[in-house]
Amino acid sequence: SSELTQDPAVSVALGQTVRITCQGDSLRSYYASWYQQKPGQAPVLVIYGKNNRPSGIPDRFSGSSSGNTASLTITGAQAEDEADYYCNSRDSSGNHLFGGGTKLTVL
Amino acid sequence: QVQLQESGPGLVKPSGTLSLTCAVSGGSISSSNWWSWVRQPPGKGLEWIGEIYHSGSTNYNPSLKSRVTISVDKSKNQFSLKLSSVTAADTAVYYCARTGPISVTTGYYYYYMDVWGKGTTVTVSS
Repeated sequence: SSELTQDPAVSVALGQTVRITCQGDSLRSYYASWYQQKPGQAPVLVIYGKNNRPSGIPDRFSGSSSGNTASLTITGAQAEDEADYYCNSRDSSGNHLFGGGTKLTVL
Repeated sequence: QVQLQESGPGLVKPSGTLSLTCAVSGGSISSSNWWSWVRQPPGKGLEWIGEIYHSGSTNYNPSLKSRVTISVDKSKNQFSLKLSSVTAADTAVYYCARTGPISVTTGYYYYYMDVWGKGTTVTVSS
């Protein structure tokens, strides 16, 4: 199917590790890109490609992929990581896809 | 560094046409990038609307294709969105974003939207 599926909400204790997943058939051909969005702000690219971070993104953010599932891992989550996270890919026709988003709560 | 700025009316009447412009600064719209429009209804997720290359080539979300037109003005270094026959369901924050070319590594494709405008809120109401 031409969809990306994410868990609606995930929580993590401060300083612990959390994995946010994204599933979809397109991920067998594309690495997902991941975006962080805080309330009232535009999305920010945090991971792209196999496991690349744009300049300024902390190295606690990492990405991985297996089969039809892409994952964003935050190792040692901080309070400022509380946000919505979206995965992004393209379908077989080249149309952009976004996952429904995962709301991350840092406890 | 490249910056994007959306502009346009914040209120559009039902059945009317939504028109927005994205001004590109700090770089050329004629670079090897596509330029996208993405929207986000209140309390909901991101939805890709469409994209344009500086040559004028476009791709549109199939669910919106019949109502969307994206154009580019290289002389002004900007691109624009028109969405016709709007309803309340088109109320959203509209973002423009720079979309990098598709690359390949270890047998997978990848790309990214690395620069985003701050977004502009458009409300459809009479």
